[in-house]
Amino acid sequence: QSALTQPASVSGSPGQSITISCTGTSSDVGGYNYVSWYQQHPGKAPKLMIYEVSNRPSGVSNRFSGSKSGNTASLTISGLQAEDEADYYCSSYTSSSTFYVFGTGTKVTVL
Amino acid sequence: QVQLVQSGAEVKKPGASVKVSCKASGYTFTSYGISWVRQAPGQGLEWMGWISAYNGNTNYAQKLQGRVTMTTDTSTSTAYMELRSLRSDDTAVYYCARLEIDCSSTSCYEDYFDYWGQGTLVTVSS
Repeated sequence: QSALTQPASVSGSPGQSITISCTGTSSDVGGYNYVSWYQQHPGKAPKLMIYEVSNRPSGVSNRFSGSKSGNTASLTISGLQAEDEADYYCSSYTSSSTFYVFGTGTKVTVL
Repeated sequence: QVQLVQSGAEVKKPGASVKVSCKASGYTFTSYGISWVRQAPGQGLEWMGWISAYNGNTNYAQKLQGRVTMTTDTSTSTAYMELRSLRSDDTAVYYCARLEIDCSSTSCYEDYFDYWGQGTLVTVSS
């Protein structure tokens, strides 16, 4: 079961924008719009931030946005705040025998 | 409001089985799927599989085939995940999550997890 590839860490100063990439294949990220993003604070359950590539659930700040180009999806956090410091995971449906796959995870640090 | 409440922490010996429950409330249980996701200490998220609360159909991660069984009890809006032949590398926090499924006229696709349980720590140790 091959995980989607994310950078291990991304950092930024308060107020800046950062982007987290999520690279897969044409069997998952590139082939379907079922890409979602999750935020996880230490010791807590993951929280849905973006679904179907670019849709934001009710209650999620509009500072979070998602996009996709080819086999790579991206999560952008604008106006970075201290509370955004967390782990972020992308995920996607896959047509392979694994059915569903998560990314390797990215630790976001607010400097 | 939608809530998923999981059973408490478990300590098991290698070779034993564990069954984790996930009680749903605040929505129509049979209108969604339930997925199970686990996270080993200090590691990332691992999708284990999902079950349709509507008809009981299941899809399991290939690496867990033969060791995992997911079931639901619609009378109590509760989902269960049983993992057998436990090994030390099954030590993890196990989460249930409500799964939104996108169905066309011919196919259904696992879409996203919009609500999560609080997690259940399963420790496998001799």
